[in-house]
Amino acid sequence: DTAVSQTPKYLVTQMGNDKSIKCEQNLGHDTMYWYKQDSKKFLKIMFSYNNKELIINETVPNRFSPKSPDKAHLNLHINSLELGDSAVYFCASSQASWRDSPLHFGNGTRLTVT
Amino acid sequence: GDSVTQMEGPVTLSEEAFLTINCTYTATGYPSLFWYVQYPGEGLQLLLKATKADDKGSNKGFEATYRKETTSFHLEKGSVQVSDSAVYFCAEYNFNKFYFGSGTKLNVKP
Repeated sequence: DTAVSQTPKYLVTQMGNDKSIKCEQNLGHDTMYWYKQDSKKFLKIMFSYNNKELIINETVPNRFSPKSPDKAHLNLHINSLELGDSAVYFCASSQASWRDSPLHFGNGTRLTVT
Repeated sequence: GDSVTQMEGPVTLSEEAFLTINCTYTATGYPSLFWYVQYPGEGLQLLLKATKADDKGSNKGFEATYRKETTSFHLEKGSVQVSDSAVYFCAEYNFNKFYFGSGTKLNVKP
């Protein structure tokens, strides 16, 4: 009964390919996020959806497109992958209406672009 | 905009040593503050939190006190164990957004 689950755990692909990462949460939270963690462990917010509506869209190349079919799912599609996209991508969720609601993270997807 | 600054690592300690990892934030208003821990190959897990000034968050022997006068939320533990080796992140939540520090790696040696 994993709270936030994302697939796949590892993704190895070549430059120029298109790939997707899926995320699901069973916590009943209203907000979901995608974060990118680089090799130095720095975490950067990419996107945030609240009840299927995009509310945070940081400066991210438009090759990255999030999709939220319902409030329990948030997928990330990446077109024309580049070497610099190699990182660990984390999905997270929270109940944004509660100011003390922490983020709950998935275990990450390690993307390697060769 | 808001930002969170935490001490650079790695921090290397012997087992049973005292731990402090400094964290300061720049938010105006009254953010909620968190510490997360990330073990190798895993996602971040909530370690503790505090939502108002002078609150003390605590869990698994770790503590942090929300100090509004110094805009700080330093993490402490009286006696670290080898199993505490991980990366620790300080974070604030303000105006519907989370801001993370850059993480501090802790190595505890037997």
